Amino acid sequence: NAGVTQTPKFQVLKTGQSMTLQCAQDMNHNSMYWYRQDPGMGLRLIYYSASEGTTDKGEVPNGYNVSRLNKREFSLRLESAAPSQTSVYFCASSEGGVSLYGYTFGSGTRLTVV
Amino acid sequence: AQSVAQPEDQVNVAEGNPLTVKCTYSVSGNPYLFWYVQYPNRGLQFLLKYITGDNLVKGSYGFEAEFNKSQTSFHLKKPSALVSDSALYFCAVRPPGYSTLTFGKGTMLLVSP
Repeated sequence: NAGVTQTPKFQVLKTGQSMTLQCAQDMNHNSMYWYRQDPGMGLRLIYYSASEGTTDKGEVPNGYNVSRLNKREFSLRLESAAPSQTSVYFCASSEGGVSLYGYTFGSGTRLTVV
Repeated sequence: AQSVAQPEDQVNVAEGNPLTVKCTYSVSGNPYLFWYVQYPNRGLQFLLKYITGDNLVKGSYGFEAEFNKSQTSFHLKKPSALVSDSALYFCAVRPPGYSTLTFGKGTMLLVSP
């Protein structure tokens, strides 16, 4: 019962470096999401994919790109990391739009940019 | 623009006492409303939702929430708090016509023995 799996769990980057955060779900969900969590700001939507082959910007997309590789996988890429991108990143999935149970979340990636 | 407000950064309650975590929303139409809980170093877990129907919704771990349309509120409640309920709680809303959730800033619940 893996649900939503995120890798890596922790990462430290230097300013200007790039990296890709990986997310995979095994629930056959259509929709996937990337959020960032910052103290006092709750969760903010970065990008989402309503279905395989589509992606859309959320509230805070600047500095990020995404790829919906297939129905299972949705990756988030930081091309040139900045200290302002230090955050905890959560991937989530749902059956379609917002399902009966809302989202299923991964356990998060804690990213520090120095 | 749609928004969710959780007016309390932290709620403190003694074990065995009732607890309330407040949430108000500002959206047009009839939204879907959710509560999630986050334990330290974990992802968010679904607690309960309101879609339509009875204004009192029951969820996991003995939690319930009351939807009040006139006050645009969706407060989370539990009759008797447990120390293990201590966690970060998020209210979320899906406005009509949207396919994503907007989250509040979260409320830390601390239950003392």
